Amino acid sequence: QVQLVESGGGVVQPGGSLRLSCAASGFTFSGYGMHWVRQAPGKGLAWVAFIRDDGSNKFYADSVKGRFTISRDNSKNTVYLQMNSLRAEDTAVYYCAKRGGTSGTTGVYAFDPWGQGTLVTVSS
Amino acid sequence: QTVVTQEPSFSVSPGGTVTLTCGLSSGSVSTSHFPSWYQQTPGQAPRTLIHTTNIRSSGVPDRFSGSILGNKAALTITGAQADDESDYYCVLYMSSAIWVFGGGTKLTVL
Repeated sequence: QVQLVESGGGVVQPGGSLRLSCAASGFTFSGYGMHWVRQAPGKGLAWVAFIRDDGSNKFYADSVKGRFTISRDNSKNTVYLQMNSLRAEDTAVYYCAKRGGTSGTTGVYAFDPWGQGTLVTVSS
Repeated sequence: QTVVTQEPSFSVSPGGTVTLTCGLSSGSVSTSHFPSWYQQTPGQAPRTLIHTTNIRSSGVPDRFSGSILGNKAALTITGAQADDESDYYCVLYMSSAIWVFGGGTKLTVL
């Protein structure tokens, strides 16, 4: 079955950097776009970034644009989130999620499934 | 800035029916927003319930259904059960590959 496992979270000082990874298995990784979504403590979900299946296009929420970079390595079935210039408000559980379908199919605009998340804490 | 609106909280009696909605601060939700719905219990990852307005994800019971009601997307739970007590999130696809989540609805079954 599809499995997504995030790693790389931890405690970092404001202004610091962190790289998250999401290892995928159980599906043809190179055929699907991938998302990062975050959830601040006690708050709701917030979309962060999306990368197309071949990595050709990347899209970001305004709150992270210019600071975060999404990338992928299809040979390693892994998607990454490089986070720079971190702020206290970036503190959250970060989830990766698979695009729910391939281009032209239903579910392509959905997030399905989700990993278990990794916690990032930005604090001095 | 686009804001997706959801009821902060809702309650339903066991066996009852509840409809949660997902709207826009400006404008109407349509099928072109490809609304999807997610269930989340504390400490757990979200679970996909509905995508593309009204298509149930694999393994989701048919008492969960999605629709467009007026100018909003809607998630209806028919025959609510105790383990439906969760947070429910909708997300809308905006133009230019941007997704916006609603603030979530905390559903209580009592």
